[in-house]
Amino acid sequence: DVVMTQSPLSLPGTLGQPASISCRSSQSLLYSDGNTYLTWFHQRPGQSPRRLIYKVSNRDSGVPDRFTGSGSGTDFTLKISRVEAEDVGVYYCMQGSHWPYTFGQGTKLEI
Amino acid sequence: QVQLVESGGDVVQPGRSLRLSCAASGFTFSNHAMHWVRQAPGQGLEWVAVISYDGSYKDYVDSVKGRFTISRDNSKSTLFLQMNSLRAEDTALYYCVGEVGPKKFDFGGQGTRVTVSS
Repeated sequence: DVVMTQSPLSLPGTLGQPASISCRSSQSLLYSDGNTYLTWFHQRPGQSPRRLIYKVSNRDSGVPDRFTGSGSGTDFTLKISRVEAEDVGVYYCMQGSHWPYTFGQGTKLEI
Repeated sequence: QVQLVESGGDVVQPGRSLRLSCAASGFTFSNHAMHWVRQAPGQGLEWVAVISYDGSYKDYVDSVKGRFTISRDNSKSTLFLQMNSLRAEDTALYYCVGEVGPKKFDFGGQGTRVTVSS
């Protein structure tokens, strides 16, 4: 199985300041169709995960533009340009290029 | 908007069976692959099973192969997960997930809780 490794696992955020989460996969996530299926989810306490970014860098509708995804191959990053209070929760990267799909361990953002 | 309502979770003894259901709305269910993902208490997320739009393809994570069966009823826009020979390590919140685009996944519900305990 593809192992997804996130860092850090705990992220002390400061309001108005940038934050960054790294995600590394044990194999390239480049799929046979030329796409790289790396997705970022955000989960608030007591809620189900919400998709933020798909195919590495595509921001979902309604997701603030302070969230940016980047990377290729095995190395990926989620950046928040200015942390806001509503950003608290756990962030997961997830790969959909190899079955079984797998998630990173999660990064907990606290203000 | 994708809406997925999971049900069927319960407290069961090890070795028993349980059937989870997921009622879908807000999208054309019969056109999309569907998945089950679970989250053990205080833990991360684990993909459990996938079924193609027409039910012809199914796959499972190794830990549930031979024990769990995913199925769907497109006429009722409903997804199922039959769980047999349940183990303590199957204790989790089970989410129904819609693949609304190619490998583009939506958790549209709040999950249903399964607890396996004697």
